Amino acid sequence: NAGVTQTPKFQVLKTGQSMTLQCAQDMNHEYMSWYRQDPGMGLRLIHYSVGAGITDQGEVPNGYNVSRSTTEDFPLRLLSAAPSQTSVYFCASSSGGWGEKLFFGSGTQLSVL
Amino acid sequence: GQNIDQPTEMTATEGAIVQINCTYQTSGFNGLFWYQQHAGEAPTFLSYNVLDGLEEKGRFSSFLSRSKGYSYLLLKELQMKDSASYLCANTDKLIFGTGTRLQVFP
Repeated sequence: NAGVTQTPKFQVLKTGQSMTLQCAQDMNHEYMSWYRQDPGMGLRLIHYSVGAGITDQGEVPNGYNVSRSTTEDFPLRLLSAAPSQTSVYFCASSSGGWGEKLFFGSGTQLSVL
Repeated sequence: GQNIDQPTEMTATEGAIVQINCTYQTSGFNGLFWYQQHAGEAPTFLSYNVLDGLEEKGRFSSFLSRSKGYSYLLLKELQMKDSASYLCANTDKLIFGTGTRLQVFP
């Protein structure tokens, strides 16, 4: 019963460093997405994918890249980290379109110094 | 637009009933979700409304009025474990509100 698995749980970066947040799901879900959550801002959609090979931008895509080479994996890449990217990141998946409930990973707390 | 508005914080007493409201702009609306999020944890699904009316699930109920752009989550027989944030989300590209932090006191 793994569901949605996110790694790492915590990460500290220096400004300008790059890293990839990993997300994998074992439910054969077509839809996957990345959110960031900041105090007072709620969950904001970064990027999403409706299937392997298909990705699109959400509300706050700048500074982030994604790819979806398999149904299971949807990594989020920060090419040059900035302090404004300090946040909690959640990966989520669902079985269908926007009307299907999301299953969330446990989150990654990222600090950029 | 996709603005979703919820109260920032609410408090209630154990055993009481609390109603958490959510308003949204009706353009592009497809349905409305409610999620629960305990501090330091991921959100978990509570309910989904696509038609007008009340959906009941045990102690939790959710109501939707599409014409008014309005929903509420009703929590009955409050327990201490209900202390959490409650997020409403428009299914149109899953835009989330900022969440309502509910504190339940003994």
